Amino acid sequence: QLQLQESGPGLVKPSETLSLTCTVSGGSISSSSYYWGWIRQPPGKGLEWIGSIYYSGSTYYNPSLKSRVTISVDTSKKQFSLKLSSVTAADTAVYYCASVPFGGWYQNWGQGSLVTVSS
Amino acid sequence: EIVMTQSPATLSVSPGERATLSCRASQSVSSNLAWYQQKPGQAPRLLIYGASTRATGIPARFSGSGSGTEFTLTISSLQSADFAVYYCQQYNNWPRTFGQGTKVEIK
Repeated sequence: QLQLQESGPGLVKPSETLSLTCTVSGGSISSSSYYWGWIRQPPGKGLEWIGSIYYSGSTYYNPSLKSRVTISVDTSKKQFSLKLSSVTAADTAVYYCASVPFGGWYQNWGQGSLVTVSS
Repeated sequence: EIVMTQSPATLSVSPGERATLSCRASQSVSSNLAWYQQKPGQAPRLLIYGASTRATGIPARFSGSGSGTEFTLTISSLQSADFAVYYCQQYNNWPRTFGQGTKVEIK
């Protein structure tokens, strides 16, 4: 059973870059059957898809965030990462990482990491 | 971008009753639709993928149906553990998109 764990700072200043890492255990991050994704949820609101990455490095991003988002993968560390630049208070959210079989549905989720943007 | 619209926003149901949740896509997503359950303070949990295939460990009281643009999640006999928010998500097109959620509350 795949397990995912987010890590990173819980507080980021406005205009700075949010950085989170997701560590995968219980399976191979290099599996050809999986993409790896990031989703966020502002307090009290719904789910927003951020982007997905394949182990080869191919990425797909939400057009609304594309100019600020970078998702990367480090297969040697069994990790994939999210960087979101020029953050504002609107980027305050719980950020989830998840496994995405065949790039489709979100099967296994991390517990979530609350990131607050504030000075 | 495909817009996913869920209805109703809130559904009040008594334990033991049936709950029917709807999800509509702004264009066809074939059967590339998933449903998730989220309880307060928890990550979402996958219930259904492929519009009707239950994920591992999901009880049979949860069922999904539909294709194209109209989808339904049915909970046949609501238990206390089922009161939560439910989201649909399409994975037919990029970007992936979620519905805004339906809250199932105790009547």
